Amino acid sequence: QQQVKQSPQSLIVQKGGISIINCAYENTAFDYFPWYQQFPGKGPALLIAIRPDVSEKKEGRFTISFNKSAKQFSLHIMDSQPGDSATYFCAASQLGNEKLTFGTGTRLTIIP
Amino acid sequence: KAGVTQTPRYLIKTRGQQVTLSCSPISGHRSVSWYQQTPGQGLQFLFEYFSETQRNKGNFPGRFSGRQFSNSRSEMNVSTLELGDSALYLCASSLDSGGQSEQYFGPGTRLTVT
Repeated sequence: QQQVKQSPQSLIVQKGGISIINCAYENTAFDYFPWYQQFPGKGPALLIAIRPDVSEKKEGRFTISFNKSAKQFSLHIMDSQPGDSATYFCAASQLGNEKLTFGTGTRLTIIP
Repeated sequence: KAGVTQTPRYLIKTRGQQVTLSCSPISGHRSVSWYQQTPGQGLQFLFEYFSETQRNKGNFPGRFSGRQFSNSRSEMNVSTLELGDSALYLCASSLDSGGQSEQYFGPGTRLTVT
């Protein structure tokens, strides 16, 4: 019940296209959902996060869509650029707990 | 503001030895969490410290331990190293404990056990 399932495992998108990564969770106590970006040799960097009281949050080219009833959330990267090529992780935590439960990661490659 | 720093960045140890990793959180952050990252298991939560107290613990054996000092700096220790302990160990800090604050990761310590 603590799992966060992430798909796809890898994704190739053309420059300028939209990259979409999906996550699903089981634990209804989760109430904080961040996305992290990780480049090789670096630690994960916080990209954007959402709480269940909103269905969408946008920051620049990055948008999180959240569907509470389906227990799913997704990351959309608009106008994808080669510099966006990285591994992306979704995560979840619950109130009163700093523990992040991570998805398995998506390796995104943006091709020119 | 300086980010989360971790030392050392790389470490090679022999099976059976012990190792201590260090983490300095972002200034003002009081919560420090540790994660293990491996290709097979992904990112897994080890434990979290807040005000020098362990608040949460993941499903790792007792060989993995940690502590936090009064200045919020944290250390984790792994005793009796096994080959399977080879991983990237990541430290993350946040303003407070409560599951509602943003966590920022350091660059990690790459541990190789031979």
